Amino acid sequence: RKEVEQDPGPFNVPEGATVAFNCTYSNSASQSFFWYRQDCRKEPKLLMSVYSSGNEDGRFTAQLNRASQYISLLIRDSKLSDSATYLCVVRPAGDYKLSFGAGTTVTVRA
Amino acid sequence: GAVVSQHPSRVICKSGTSVKIECRSLDFQATTMFWYRQFPKQSLMLMATSNEGSKATYEQGVEKDKFLINHASLTLSTLTVTSAHPEDSSFYICSASTSGGSYEQYFGPGTRLTVT
Repeated sequence: RKEVEQDPGPFNVPEGATVAFNCTYSNSASQSFFWYRQDCRKEPKLLMSVYSSGNEDGRFTAQLNRASQYISLLIRDSKLSDSATYLCVVRPAGDYKLSFGAGTTVTVRA
Repeated sequence: GAVVSQHPSRVICKSGTSVKIECRSLDFQATTMFWYRQFPKQSLMLMATSNEGSKATYEQGVEKDKFLINHASLTLSTLTVTSAHPEDSSFYICSASTSGGSYEQYFGPGTRLTVT
């Protein structure tokens, strides 16, 4: 079983729509959680950390459910520039190592 | 701050040759550097972790004699793919961390290797 699993999508949505997707992780010792964004043929870039109580950053909202071991990302009022692959990333406590999901592709159309 | 560069950004080489990829932290000292590989539509897979001045720690299934890692200074790590084959064609990404327990990794822009 993969450490981090994501629905690959693609999610094709019109501008202005809301899109949400989840990822699940297998290691219950995971302590830190992140969403990264990766554009085609580029390096991943940190979008936001995910906190236990859930957190927002502008149009992006992340939630963490430790009991069910899943993380979600919701994008409101989608922009064309939100088109990318979103990577779910987890890290165990006291460890540098990051475990990446394969990504969820979002395409926002005009 | 926290900029990481990689060179080259793209390389095409013939089967059997060796290719060296450089990863540099430009404005901070990187005590730990990581090398990842990403095949199309797959996740980043950690290949190895290196600390300055010591031998790299390779992940299971990664051949240390094929992927030579040198972390000779606090700002430079190199990955050499020896005797490259077409199946080594991939996107290689490095990242760097500072000491201090924050564990944050700063990613380089990646190197696309194509072996013909």
